Amino acid sequence: GDSVTQMEGPVTLSEEAFLTINCTYTATGYPSLFWYVQYPGEGLQLLLKATKADDKGSNKGFEATYRKETTSFHLEKGSVQVSDSAVYFCALKGANFGNEKLTFGTGTRLTIIP
Amino acid sequence: NAGVTQTPKFQVLKTGQSMTLQCAQDMNHNSMYWYRQDPGMGLRLIYYSASEGTTDKGEVPNGYNVSRLNKREFSLRLESAAPSQTSVYFCASSETAGANVLTFGAGSRLTVL
Repeated sequence: GDSVTQMEGPVTLSEEAFLTINCTYTATGYPSLFWYVQYPGEGLQLLLKATKADDKGSNKGFEATYRKETTSFHLEKGSVQVSDSAVYFCALKGANFGNEKLTFGTGTRLTIIP
Repeated sequence: NAGVTQTPKFQVLKTGQSMTLQCAQDMNHNSMYWYRQDPGMGLRLIYYSASEGTTDKGEVPNGYNVSRLNKREFSLRLESAAPSQTSVYFCASSETAGANVLTFGAGSRLTVL
């Protein structure tokens, strides 16, 4: 079945550092890929998405590129801020009819220190 | 504000007790979901309702029941709570079952002693 593997945390960085959170997936066909973010005490919210190979999703300075050849969707940001401290989830939605449910990774907790 | 509202936010139960988690959305979405979030496990789908009047099992349905009361409301019931059901529960909704984006509630933290 479909699965998502993302780097284990926690990740602690200094403000203005470069961020990469790795995510790889296993799925048949061409799934859609997502990054969701969960701020403390809140539910998950969509950060960015990509629905086909080589698409780049971006939002709030974060970017991720859908790489079919490496089955990856790594999250990057050039200069993190304290307000980026949260848990980040990589997710995929299956491409096949009847398999449209979201499959989530285990989440990566990010802490940014001033 | 428009969105997904879950109640209660916190609950402590004893083993064997029952309870219902309530969820309501005001975005006129057709599909609703219940997930549980456990450390190191990410989010796992318990049950979902693709449309009003339908419900289906997800990845971890055992020990739970659901009711899609109307288009707005989707409740999750624990008939006989067990310590293994200690978790944070999230309700979510989407325009359709195949939609790309889910809107999540703030979560309900349940502890079973």
